[in-house]
Amino acid sequence: AQKVTQAQTEISVVEKEDVTLDCVYETRDTTYYLFWYKQPPSGELVFLIRRNSFDEQNEISGRYSWNFQKSTSSFNFTITASQVVDSAVYFCALSGYNDYKLSFGAGTTVTVRA
Amino acid sequence: SQTIHQWPATLVQPVGSPLSLECTVEGTSNPNLYWYRQAAGRGLQLLFYSVGIGQISSEVPQNLSASRPQDRQFILSSKKLLLSDSGFYLCACLSRVNEQYFGPGTRLTVT
Repeated sequence: AQKVTQAQTEISVVEKEDVTLDCVYETRDTTYYLFWYKQPPSGELVFLIRRNSFDEQNEISGRYSWNFQKSTSSFNFTITASQVVDSAVYFCALSGYNDYKLSFGAGTTVTVRA
Repeated sequence: SQTIHQWPATLVQPVGSPLSLECTVEGTSNPNLYWYRQAAGRGLQLLFYSVGIGQISSEVPQNLSASRPQDRQFILSSKKLLLSDSGFYLCACLSRVNEQYFGPGTRLTVT
C-alpha cells in the first residue's frame, strides 16, 4: 500500500520568509511518481511538479524548489521569498508508475502574512 | 492542452435524493479519467478511475457509482445520498505526459 505523510498541518510565515514543506512517502513499488499540488481558496488543484523515482536531481522553478531524497523517502518543497499569493493548501502525492492513481497526503496549509 | 469541465459547481441535496455529477474533457482523446473526493478538512481520496468507455474501476466501496458513456465524459452518481457523501468532488484527466490535471470541482452538501 502507498502512504504519503505531510506532518505539518499548518505553517504561518511573514512575507519574504522562506518556507519548507515536508513530505515523506511509503511504497513497495520500485518505480513511482511523486507530485506536488497547490489548492488555493478557490478549491481547484493546481499541478506544480511531477518527479520520477529514478530521477533524484533537485529542481528549481522560479521561487519554488524541490528536494527529492530516495534514501529517506522524502520529497520536500521550498518556497523562497514567500508572497501572500502563496497562501494555499499544498498536497504531496504519490502514484504507481503505470496506474497513475494518486495517493495524497493530508495537506499543509500555508498562510503568508503581509 | 486539455480543459476539464465540471458541473454543477455547487449542489445542496437532501439525504436520500439521487446524485449526478458530470465531468467532460476537451482537447484530448481516450484519456484516463479519475474521480476524487475531498471531505471537509481532509485530504483527497480516489473514488473511481476509467481507462476507456465503459471501463470503470472502483477504489473505495461506498454509496457511489461511476459511468463513462462517452470517451470524454465521466459521470458520478448515487441513488440515495448519505450525509457522509458531502464533500468536494474533483475530476481529473491524465495528460499525454502522464501528469494529472484537475477540474474546478463540485462542492456537494447533503442536508
